[in-house]
Amino acid sequence: AQSVAQPEDQVNVAEGNPLTVKCTYSVSGNPYLFWYVQYPNRGLQFLLKYITGDNLVKGSYGFEAEFNKSQTSFHLKKPSALVSDSALYFCAVRDMTNAGKSTFGDGTTLTVKP
Amino acid sequence: DTGVSQNPRHKITKRGQNVTFRCDPISEHNRLYWYRQTLGQGPEFLTYFQNEAQLEKSRLLSDRFSAERPKGSFSTLEIQRTEQGDSAMYLCASSPIPDSYGYTFGSGTRLTVV
Repeated sequence: AQSVAQPEDQVNVAEGNPLTVKCTYSVSGNPYLFWYVQYPNRGLQFLLKYITGDNLVKGSYGFEAEFNKSQTSFHLKKPSALVSDSALYFCAVRDMTNAGKSTFGDGTTLTVKP
Repeated sequence: DTGVSQNPRHKITKRGQNVTFRCDPISEHNRLYWYRQTLGQGPEFLTYFQNEAQLEKSRLLSDRFSAERPKGSFSTLEIQRTEQGDSAMYLCASSPIPDSYGYTFGSGTRLTVV
């Protein structure tokens, strides 16, 4: 079985400050990890992924995420938040040894205030 | 290619009626997924196809739900004898093989059962 936990329903940051959106996961084997973003009245968009290799992965719009195997975490980060980053963010996991579906967390609403 | 297309965008139906949704994936994507999303929750897996073969179906899915992907192109999701609890956003996504790719989502079909 595979699962994802996003412990914060809401994250509030001021524009220009760094942001972190937390994600922890559970899989039987090794994970593929993903972040998606959902803007109001828009579909889910792929943001970035961890497959293997460097624990720090970079994605769209200046976002990055850090994979930590010992803590089974994949936190999303950005050094300097923009108001336009305000959206709903979903973490997802897929087991490398079990081809098929991704399992999503329940999402974290990020609000960046000017 | 215009991405993943879902029709209709909105569907209002009376309890007990049957509904069918359509998804047109990105043409070169072998895999097609159906998810369901309710307010405050992350996308919940329903079923997925690799080409025309339905490889997995959620155990949470009742027999009232059926999906097809004839000839490995577009897919349809049918719900028979709809119930109020079926009200949700139904999301379609596609991806290429292998599993390391993220999904491309459509805009979804919002179903309201009255």
